[in-house]
Amino acid sequence: DTAVSQTPKYLVTQMGNDKSIKCEQNLGHDTMYWYKQDSKKFLKIMFSYNNKELIINETVPNRFSPKSPDKAHLNLHINSLELGDSAVYFCASSGGLAGREQFFGPGTRLTVL
Amino acid sequence: DQQVKQNSPSLSVQEGRISILNCDYTNSMFDYFLWYKKYPAEGPTFLISISSIKDKNEDGRFTVFLNKSAKHLSLHIVPSQPGDSAVYFCAASGAGSYQLTFGKGTKLSVIP
Repeated sequence: DTAVSQTPKYLVTQMGNDKSIKCEQNLGHDTMYWYKQDSKKFLKIMFSYNNKELIINETVPNRFSPKSPDKAHLNLHINSLELGDSAVYFCASSGGLAGREQFFGPGTRLTVL
Repeated sequence: DQQVKQNSPSLSVQEGRISILNCDYTNSMFDYFLWYKKYPAEGPTFLISISSIKDKNEDGRFTVFLNKSAKHLSLHIVPSQPGDSAVYFCAASGAGSYQLTFGKGTKLSVIP
């Protein structure tokens, strides 16, 4: 029973396209996150939502738009994809008794050609 | 501006010996530290954490030590097992914040 799931796991697309990555958590957590792991392997926070409200928005191009239809879901939509967007994107969640521990999804490897 | 640094990109250890992974931080506002383990093609999984009010936390084979004056923490794995081979990330957060700042990771290889 997967705690944090992401779809798709792999995404290959052309420059200029628009794509979405979906994330769902069944842990009952209030806070969800999107991270980007680039070619240098740094895990960098992009966004954080708490109870469907945006609380962290790091310096990310506005081509990236997160959407949280409910507190169990946080989707990431990317417009006009660029080569530099190629990376692994991880969704995570935290909350409740877990405190500051974050639970990560398996990642989505995005390749922009 | 790396606030969390893992200066060793890789480490090799013989099975049964101790593995010591190091992490340094620069932000004195960090008060909670975590270690994550990551296998290829999987997401990071939480391993162990420590609050700044402690200097040691132990969980089975894993122990984290925190030296606040040196802004340094370390993860000890003893005895090391081949299944421990993975990338280990150090992470930190500040008081009242759920935001984690990650280091670049150290790849541990445990040789049978």
